[in-house]
Amino acid sequence: EPEVTQTPSHQVTQMGQEVILRCVPISNHLYFYWYRQILGQKVEFLVSFYNNEISEKSEIFDDQFSVERPDGSNFTLKIRSTKLEDSAMYFCASSVGRHTEAFFGQGTRLTVV
Amino acid sequence: AQRVTQPEKLLSVFKGAPVELKCNYSYSGSPELFWYVQYSRQRLQLLLRHISRESIKGFTADLNKGETSFHLKKPFAQEEDSAMYYCALSGGTSYGKLTFGQGTILTVHP
Repeated sequence: EPEVTQTPSHQVTQMGQEVILRCVPISNHLYFYWYRQILGQKVEFLVSFYNNEISEKSEIFDDQFSVERPDGSNFTLKIRSTKLEDSAMYFCASSVGRHTEAFFGQGTRLTVV
Repeated sequence: AQRVTQPEKLLSVFKGAPVELKCNYSYSGSPELFWYVQYSRQRLQLLLRHISRESIKGFTADLNKGETSFHLKKPFAQEEDSAMYYCALSGGTSYGKLTFGQGTILTVHP
């Protein structure tokens, strides 16, 4: 069964460094999403992406964050200058259409030290 | 603003007992409600959605607009039901833009 794949599974980075989290959505899916979950807190929506542009974003998704679909298969989340509070599990998800089930990746645990 | 509340962080039952995981929501329009499940070391996966009114793995959930609730129920819990359960709401823009509750860890004891 096709799955959303995220790499790496765990990334440790120094504060102030740029980090890129990678996702390979399911191949025929057109809608892409990033979520994060800070330890002990809720899963929070960050951004949705369709037709090569951001369709919605939350207040969390500030100028430090950007998303890209560089090559038609990968979907990346970049954090430009990481802060300690960016430490979280980041989930990628994709769906065929706007009103179809979202499938989640297994997550990338980002630790900022 | 939309909000989902799951009042129980932890819920323990014995195998064969009924189980109910509570979910309340706050949303001004007509929401779409979902239950997601995360088994140990696995990814988040959709369990059921209110519009399909189906039973998955013996679980059902009814949307009660008057009480703004979407509780998940199963009459006879099984050990393999032990997992983290998340209630989630979509405001309708897309099913992938979800507001999650904080989750309930269900443990079913033998």
